[in-house]
Amino acid sequence: GNSVTQMEGPVTLSEEAFLTINCTYTATGYPSLFWYVQYPGEGLQLLLKATKADDKGSNKGFEATYRKETTSFHLEKGSVQVSDSAVYFCALNTNAGKSTFGDGTTLTVKP
Amino acid sequence: ETGVTQTPRHLVMGMTNKKSLKCEQHLGHNAMYWYKQSAKKPLELMFVYSLEERVENNSVPSRFSPECPNSSHLFLHLHTLQPEDSALYLCASSQAPLENTGELFFGEGSRLTVL
Repeated sequence: GNSVTQMEGPVTLSEEAFLTINCTYTATGYPSLFWYVQYPGEGLQLLLKATKADDKGSNKGFEATYRKETTSFHLEKGSVQVSDSAVYFCALNTNAGKSTFGDGTTLTVKP
Repeated sequence: ETGVTQTPRHLVMGMTNKKSLKCEQHLGHNAMYWYKQSAKKPLELMFVYSLEERVENNSVPSRFSPECPNSSHLFLHLHTLQPEDSALYLCASSQAPLENTGELFFGEGSRLTVL
């Protein structure tokens, strides 16, 4: 079956530090890949996505590249802000329409 | 209103109560979902409706009963719940449930506490 493994948290960084949250996946077929973010007290919202190999998704300074050869979709940001503190979920979606989520990584950014 | 709206945002109920969670989407989507988010557990898919028909039920206990009267509305009826059912219940919608680019649009969730 499909699975998503993401970096365990919590992750604590200082403002302006570089962020990487690792995500690897196992899937049959050719999944689309997503990063969702959940701010405190809210639901999940889409941060970025990539639908085929070598695609790069980007939004709000975050980036992730769909690497088929390493089955990875690592999330990166060059300079984090306090407002980036949230829980980040890596997910995939196959042509069966099902989404599979990772366990989530909690990021705390300190001023 | 836009997006996906869930009510109530917070609900406290006893084990013998009957209550319902409501979800409404204003995005013109044709699929809706219920997820359960518990502390320190992965997100759990509970129910999927596509074109108002239930297409997925991940072995959820019968004390949870979904209802999808039309493509814009989704309910989760609750009765005789257990304390371990306390969680954040998230509703989501999508445009293309049977195609692989289907990103999900989530509501803000209903925080349920069972006493």
